[in-house]
Amino acid sequence: DSGVTQTPKHLITATGQRVTLRCSPRSGDLSVYWYQQSLDQGLQFLIQYYNGEERAKGNILERFSAQQFPDLHSELNLSSLELGDSALYFCASSVGTGLSDLEQYFGPGTRLTVT
Amino acid sequence: AQSVAQPEDQVNVAEGNPLTVKCTYSVSGNPYLFWYVQYPNRGLQFLLKYITGDNLVKGSYGFEAEFNKSQTSFHLKKPSALVSDSALYFCAVSDRNTGFQKLVFGTGTRLLVSP
Repeated sequence: DSGVTQTPKHLITATGQRVTLRCSPRSGDLSVYWYQQSLDQGLQFLIQYYNGEERAKGNILERFSAQQFPDLHSELNLSSLELGDSALYFCASSVGTGLSDLEQYFGPGTRLTVT
Repeated sequence: AQSVAQPEDQVNVAEGNPLTVKCTYSVSGNPYLFWYVQYPNRGLQFLLKYITGDNLVKGSYGFEAEFNKSQTSFHLKKPSALVSDSALYFCAVSDRNTGFQKLVFGTGTRLLVSP
């Protein structure tokens, strides 16, 4: 168990809908990352937050947004969902942003199915 | 742009034999290299990293990896494979230019260790 928790484990929704995925980082970790894992695109970095502020952005669609709250938990919002958004969404956390903090600890993921 | 190649979709090895999972990378600056493992229905687990220094890096569960700058490779190795090592292995790279916490993952290599 990495100490990173994600809810829900599974989510089934229809096209056009909006969902929110939640992540709680390991105790003491200030950085949170979101990844999308799909069969066709592999594992892709979406976005990173550090202590409430956006730190790095990857291949995140405009329909997707994220935030990190003062208690350090993070939410990934996916809107106007399309079939192609079906994937496993992982949250990861790390202590900080320095070179000594490069290990990321992954949660179990949220499997999103868009029908 | 950064990229990682894992040329083998699957590696088969008998228990007790040495194993190698290959990874080559491309970055514009000095690379930071990582190996993660994913067990079924689980998130990724950090195995080891190379930042600087000794080219041979030792990690969790008896795994090690060798950084070869001239061949731009970071192959994962273990002297004696266990059936429980069967899993999906991901190589990842980052660099200071694009953000050393912004990981780019390979497509993954499935390791199958037979009894």
